[in-house]
Parts: sequence; C-alpha cells; structure tokens
Amino acid sequence: QLQLQESGPGLVKPSETLSLTCAVSGGSLSNDYYWGWLRQPPGKGLQWIGSISYSGSTYFNPSLKSRVTISVDTSKNQFSLRLKSVTAADTAVYYCARTIADRLSGFDYWGRGTLVAVSS
Amino acid sequence: QSVLTQPPSVSGAPGQRVTISCTGSSSNIGANYDVHWYRQFPGTAPKLLINGNTNRPSGVPDRFSASRSGTSASLAITGLQAEDEADYYCQSYDSSLSVVFGGGTKLTVL
Repeated sequence: QLQLQESGPGLVKPSETLSLTCAVSGGSLSNDYYWGWLRQPPGKGLQWIGSISYSGSTYFNPSLKSRVTISVDTSKNQFSLRLKSVTAADTAVYYCARTIADRLSGFDYWGRGTLVAVSS
Repeated sequence: QSVLTQPPSVSGAPGQRVTISCTGSSSNIGANYDVHWYRQFPGTAPKLLINGNTNRPSGVPDRFSASRSGTSASLAITGLQAEDEADYYCQSYDSSLSVVFGGGTKLTVL
C-alpha cells in the first residue's frame, strides 16, 4: 500500500522560507504519475500549489508560482516543496499527494497532512 | 473566492438521495476538463470519490455517482448514511493553467 508522509517545521517566521518533504513508501516515485502539493488553511477549502513528474517537469498554481519550488529526489524516493517569503496567509495544513494518472487527474493517495503556522 | 462554486451546505435524511453541484465556467468545466470529487472528514486528508467525471476508484461504493453538463457537474449520493456526513469538494483544471477546487460543501445527515 502506497504511503506518503509529509515532514518539516511546524512553525515558520514571516518572510522566511517554508520547506517540506514528502517521503513515499510502499512504492516508488514513477513517471506514470504526478506528485503534488496542496494546502488547506484552517477552516477553508483546498488549494493546489503545484505538481512534479518523476522526470522533474513542474507545474505551479499561477498565484504562487513566483514563490514556489518543487523538486524530486528519486534516490531517496521523496519530493519537496519550498515556499519563500511566507506570510500569515500561508498558514495551512500542507498535503502531498499522487495523481491517479496524468497531471490533470484526481489525487488518489494523500499524506496525512502537516500543519505549518507562519508566525513570529 | 473559489473558481468552482459549490453550495456551502446540503442536508438529507438517512436513506435519501442528495446531490452536490459544482458550477464552473467556459475556462474549466465548460472547456471539457475532467471533474473529480473528494470527501473529507474533519482532521483527515481528502479521499478521492470520483475521478474523470464518472469513474469510481476501487473501493468506493456505487452509492456515489457523478455527472456533468455544460459548465457544471454534480455528485449524487444515494441511500444516505450517517457516515456520509463530511465535506465534499470538486476539482477541475482551468485554462489559467491551474488545478482548481470548489469551496467545499458540508453534508449534514439529519
């Protein structure tokens, strides 16, 4: 059974960079799928941040593109998110997930999510 | 303001059928991009219920079905059960080059 697990600091200061890693177990990062980051502010809906393929092709939410980097490390079977210049508006539960097929398909496997608060 | 519009809440009695709408525009659902549906319980990650407009992933009961027409889509749940009480989200793609979600609908089982 494929499992995804987010890890990273739970508190980030304003103007600094948020960094999270998603470890994939029970399977390998594969070019048959896309791997994504999504977030959900407390009490609000879901927002897609971006996705990456096994080969490193990336796609970002235009509203976040200037601040986001997503990378993949196939040797460690993990992919990562960096979001720079964070503000309180970036406080959210961050999820990593896998698409069921191509990059426009639904996300069928999700991590449990990790809450990241932006505060001084 | 979400790109896809869902009713904030719907309700139904056990055993009834409820539908949740997802209204988009000519740049997303109307542009024939696929629609996907999720269920989310409080404090947990979303679960994919419907992929590619009408397809149920393995393990999803056939009580869940979906359809689309024009710039809208809808999720139907038949034989409503207490455990269906959750938040439901639709997802599609927009010509602005972004995966987009609806704002979510809270389903209450009366």
